[in-house]
Amino acid sequence: DQQVKQNSPSLSVQEGRISILNCDYTNSMFDYFLWYKKYPAEGPTFLISISSIKDKNEDGRFTVFLNKSAKHLSLHIVPSQPGDSAVYFCAASLIDNFNKFYFGSGTKLNVKP
Amino acid sequence: GAGVSQTPSNKVTEKGKYVELRCDPISGHTALYWYRQSLGQGPEFLIYFQGTGAADDSGLPNDRFFAVRPEGSVSTLKIQRTERGDSAVYLCASSLDRGPGELFFGEGSRLTVL
Repeated sequence: DQQVKQNSPSLSVQEGRISILNCDYTNSMFDYFLWYKKYPAEGPTFLISISSIKDKNEDGRFTVFLNKSAKHLSLHIVPSQPGDSAVYFCAASLIDNFNKFYFGSGTKLNVKP
Repeated sequence: GAGVSQTPSNKVTEKGKYVELRCDPISGHTALYWYRQSLGQGPEFLIYFQGTGAADDSGLPNDRFFAVRPEGSVSTLKIQRTERGDSAVYLCASSLDRGPGELFFGEGSRLTVL
């Protein structure tokens, strides 16, 4: 049972434009959310996180939005750069077990020069 | 190096064989995690250690899988009687475990069972 879903397996964006990656979840007890970026043959690296008490968190070109009522979060990258091309995973943890993360299946972002 | 180190990076074995995968976490990180990533999927939780003890092993798929962390640092994931379905990238991660926060992942060990 996939509790965290990324329904777009791939996304292609022109350099300089905005990339929007989406993630949906089913468990209302998820309390903490993260985005990871993964290059081929490397482990995932942390990008940005958000707690359920917030609806937005920003770090440079990266902003994560959380809509609890819709059980939806999104990652915005502005402006997109070719070096952002990677697979992006969203992950969530429960309020009573923040050490166990549930990952989506990933979205492969391609930023075209 | 300062990051999470995993060995071997690649392991090819035959069905039925025993396999050990090693993880050396970031120094000072008390929490250690094993995840498994199958092709086209996201990482799937296997087990979490706090210190030497397995605090949550609910993700281990069956009793062929076992993990240890005897001294609270290096961990070994052990798979007995490997099956072709065990083929995946096994990721190790560590963290400071001071509340919800990021995990620092290694590059993974790719296991192929023929």
